[in-house]
Amino acid sequence: AQKITQTQPGMFVQEKEAVTLDCTYDTSDQSYGLFWYKQPSSGEMIFLIYQGSYDEQNATEGRYSLNFQKARKSANLVISASQLGDSAMYFCAMRLTGGGNKLTFGTGTQLKVEL
Amino acid sequence: GAVVSQHPSWVICKSGTSVKIECRSLDFQATTMFWYRQFPKQSLMLMATSNEGSKATYEQGVEKDKFLINHASLTLSTLTVTSAHPEDSSFYICSVSQAGESEQFFGPGTRLTVL
Repeated sequence: AQKITQTQPGMFVQEKEAVTLDCTYDTSDQSYGLFWYKQPSSGEMIFLIYQGSYDEQNATEGRYSLNFQKARKSANLVISASQLGDSAMYFCAMRLTGGGNKLTFGTGTQLKVEL
Repeated sequence: GAVVSQHPSWVICKSGTSVKIECRSLDFQATTMFWYRQFPKQSLMLMATSNEGSKATYEQGVEKDKFLINHASLTLSTLTVTSAHPEDSSFYICSVSQAGESEQFFGPGTRLTVL
């Protein structure tokens, strides 16, 4: 079975600084997708970025980039130029291709951006 | 992306009553809908997957007779928590996807409190 591990329950970062949120995964499948979602206190899940297992380039979306290291099975999220509005819970998730589009989520990292 | 709504956004009910939560895909034909449960400070746990017009597939440990899921159309799925108890108090989130598409679009969630 697949598993997602986020080892940082909480992180602090100063405004305008960059921060890396860690995510490692475990699967024996060769084809899978990795996602990052942001969940503010209001509860909605906001999609941030996606990386396919066969994508050779690291995904980027604006201030978000995904540091994908396939051999190490890690998919860390990098947020550049942090803003106060980035304070939220961040979840890493994995979907197995052929797994019915089901997502398995990590335990999340609570990020707080400080002045 | 798709716009997904949930109703109600929050509900308080007495122990022993049943509660129905609706998930609507407003601009998107959702062949598949997912229901998740999230306890405070925890991750999202998939409860069940439903495909339009067929019975839902429940994850291990989720009681199908307690959590009734109906996906009668491409735009509506309902989750009914039958004979709710305080331990069912949680945040319930639905998501939708289309066949062959990787991305899931999440609803805003429903907070259930059982007294």
